[in-house]
Amino acid sequence: DAKTTQPPSMDCAEGRAANLPCNHSTISGNEYVYWYRQIHSQGPQYIIHGLKNNETNEMASLIITEDRKSSTLILPHATLRDTAVYYCIVHNFGNEKLTFGTGTRLTIIP
Amino acid sequence: DTGVSQDPRHKITKRGQNVTFRCDPISEHNRLYWYRQTLGQGPEFLTYFQNEAQLEKSRLLSDRFSAERPKGSFSTLEIQRTEQGDSAMYLCASSDTRDRVIEQYFGPGTRLTVT
Repeated sequence: DAKTTQPPSMDCAEGRAANLPCNHSTISGNEYVYWYRQIHSQGPQYIIHGLKNNETNEMASLIITEDRKSSTLILPHATLRDTAVYYCIVHNFGNEKLTFGTGTRLTIIP
Repeated sequence: DTGVSQDPRHKITKRGQNVTFRCDPISEHNRLYWYRQTLGQGPEFLTYFQNEAQLEKSRLLSDRFSAERPKGSFSTLEIQRTEQGDSAMYLCASSDTRDRVIEQYFGPGTRLTVT
């Protein structure tokens, strides 16, 4: 799986949109971009994934650039419960394991 | 609660002792994964099962580690002759290959401390 680069930490005010960037410049054509998050003392939780089109679900939106070399996870109205480490993962369905980096520690400020 | 469960949640053991962890996946999930997570790092893949067959093992899984999923349901991870470097969170996850998303559902983890 391709390597990803994320900022180590970010802050966001409660109620504002949190935009978490991820670079994956070596992504190949059959690799998906997945986002998971890990709240303190819990296991990781799936958020969203995409291939090349933008995606939206009840938790977040995923914007993937046209060249697929970077993406942004958007939490539209951040709450204190969104404080967590967010992992951007490039994943090939033929490879069962998820390869986590060190992620971005997002802190929502009241 | 129909999520992934792990037991125990915390384990403190002395160096050299054997420990065994249990994971109960979501019912009917045919894939089960084990990961290890140390402080400040993301989870690292250890091994995974498709039903009862262990299909891949990481180089991190030394010969002191053994995992089983005898009936294709729950799984156990045993560490023999524990070392201080084994101290970590051990995470279990499960997934259903019939699920188009192939989302992995993680349990809360077992935190191992080797003294």
